[in-house]
Amino acid sequence: QVQLVESGGGVVQPGRSLRLSCAASGFTFSNNIMHWVRQAPGKGLEWVAVISDDGRNKYYADSVKGRFTMSRDNSKNTLYLQMNSLRVEDTAVYYCARDRGDYDFWSGYYTFDYWGQGTLVTVSS
Amino acid sequence: EMVMTQSPATLSVSPGERATLSCRASQSVSSNLAWYQQRPGQAPRLLIYDASTRATDIPARFSGSGSGTEFSLTISSLQSEDFAVYYCQQYNTWPPALTFGGGTKVEIK
Repeated sequence: QVQLVESGGGVVQPGRSLRLSCAASGFTFSNNIMHWVRQAPGKGLEWVAVISDDGRNKYYADSVKGRFTMSRDNSKNTLYLQMNSLRVEDTAVYYCARDRGDYDFWSGYYTFDYWGQGTLVTVSS
Repeated sequence: EMVMTQSPATLSVSPGERATLSCRASQSVSSNLAWYQQRPGQAPRLLIYDASTRATDIPARFSGSGSGTEFSLTISSLQSEDFAVYYCQQYNTWPPALTFGGGTKVEIK
């Protein structure tokens, strides 16, 4: 069955960096567009970034553009999110999510059919 | 920026009753709208995509409708496991700027 397992969360000071990982199994990882979505404590969902199946193309939410970098290693079935210059407002549970995949990357028709359990990132001094 | 507005914020319903949740887009998203359910302490689960298509293994009591700027999710007869928060999400913008509504909490009356 499809499994997505995030890791790498923790407590970090503002301005510092953190790298999240998401280990995928149960499907052909290299065939799927993947996303990061976050949820601040007690708040709603916010899409963070998307990466194409081959890793060549990425898009980011304005709130993280220039600070976060998404990447993937298809040989390791692993997704990454490098988070630099962290801010207090980046505090959230970060989910990796698989795109449902019915549409081409360039369509922008993205929905999320499988989610990991999430990893909590707390940015605090 | 595409803004998604869900109403009501909280819906109190008795088990077995019907629940209708609303989602409004600030501009047309055609039928590019999805609904998710999030139970406490769990990740979201995809219920509906393309405004009205049920995702895999989603019970028939969940149905979606609408297009353009007005959408609804109906749960025909609420079961205990349906008490949760529901989010709508649009995917009609390019470059991608996916946005979610603020959520509707369905609670036991």
